[in-house]
Amino acid sequence: DGGITQSPKYLFRKEGQNVTLSCEQNLNHDAMYWYRQDPGQGLRLIYYSQIVNDFQKGDIAEGYSVSREKKESFPLTVTSAQKNPTAFYLCASSNRGQNEQFFGPGTRLTVL
Amino acid sequence: QKEVEQNSGPLSVPEGAIASLNCTYSDRGSQSFFWYRQYSGKSPELIMSIYSNGDKEDGRFTAQLNKASQYVSLLIRDSQPSDSATYLCAVNRAAGNKLTFGGGTRVLVKP
Repeated sequence: DGGITQSPKYLFRKEGQNVTLSCEQNLNHDAMYWYRQDPGQGLRLIYYSQIVNDFQKGDIAEGYSVSREKKESFPLTVTSAQKNPTAFYLCASSNRGQNEQFFGPGTRLTVL
Repeated sequence: QKEVEQNSGPLSVPEGAIASLNCTYSDRGSQSFFWYRQYSGKSPELIMSIYSNGDKEDGRFTAQLNKASQYVSLLIRDSQPSDSATYLCAVNRAAGNKLTFGGGTRVLVKP
């Protein structure tokens, strides 16, 4: 089955810890994206990558880091510098030159 | 002014009626427009894409685009309880292959 997988589904973190969220896709899409969603809010772009070994900051990149070493993988690290990390994190991908984005199931991060 | 604006709702609709959702955007250079459906606790699912002025129909869904007035709408005909969800409007940014999302409209279809 083609699709996007994210793991874990739920993640609990103590303050001061870094955590890494996984995103993998087998759709052969070039572009991948990370969003954050807070309760009752829309999606805000954290980082995106149009091609392997290249990525750009989105609208709210502070406190986050990413890598894109493989086409199918785009992990997101939430660092201790992120002041309000509790949120629903969504990974998406799209074909090159197309704006339609498809989402993974999401990771719900809670900071204790 | 927000870049993409939607009424947060909830929009309460009787079963079998038409639900009408609106979205306005500020970037005149936007060319691609999308509607996503998001059930509570789940990720967004793409249900409609529209690129040209006018109407686009897909099953019970109709998307309408008016670039001159900078709005895009979604009609859900014969609304079913399973249509109860939050509907997100997304608009591509003129610069770069990125989307801007509205805050979503919550729809409640009552039997």
